[in-house]
Amino acid sequence: AQSVAQPEDQVNVAEGNPLTVKCTYSVSGNPYLFWYVQYPNRGLQFLLKYITGDNLVKGSYGFEAEFNKSQTSFHLKKPSALVSDSALYFCAVRVHGSGNTGKLIFGQGTTLQVKP
Amino acid sequence: NAGVTQTPKFQVLKTGQSMTLQCAQDMNHEYMSWYRQDPGMGLRLIHYSVGAGITDQGEVPNGYNVSRSTTEDFPLRLLSAAPSQTSVYFCASRTDRGNTYEQYFGPGTRLTVT
Repeated sequence: AQSVAQPEDQVNVAEGNPLTVKCTYSVSGNPYLFWYVQYPNRGLQFLLKYITGDNLVKGSYGFEAEFNKSQTSFHLKKPSALVSDSALYFCAVRVHGSGNTGKLIFGQGTTLQVKP
Repeated sequence: NAGVTQTPKFQVLKTGQSMTLQCAQDMNHEYMSWYRQDPGMGLRLIHYSVGAGITDQGEVPNGYNVSRSTTEDFPLRLLSAAPSQTSVYFCASRTDRGNTYEQYFGPGTRLTVT
């Protein structure tokens, strides 16, 4: 079965420190991988994606993510966290292939708390 | 562009009542989806559409109906509301033109069924 796992319900970091939010996936075929952020009482906003090419992808607000095929991971990172980065983060995967309608499978979400 | 819009933002229903959640997008996207968000469960796909006149079931379709008569609109109908349908509902759209792939989400509808 295809799935996405975010093993941490919450990640706490101090402002200015690097942050990592973890994501692993299990799919058949080549994955398209996404990170979304949700601020309180808002919809999800797209952060970045991996489709093909360079394993390190850069996205909005200084975030980046590294695709690791051997470890089936797509961890979200930022070199220096801001208090305003505090939000709920979702990893999602879409399998690309024939007959695919592009459905996304979401992880359960990780709350990032950045303390001043 | 307004993007993806949803109405209403909040709704309280009694068990057994019916209602329609509205969703519209002005980006000429082929694909539209409805998700529900529940604590600790991420987003789960209810129904989706790959174009006008074409809909299909997602992961949790029971108790919900959809239709797609136009490219722009994708309403979600609750036929007979149950407390288990208390959730936040998100509509999303996307296109594969230009190899973009990312989904655009509406602001959500918070539904409470008593």
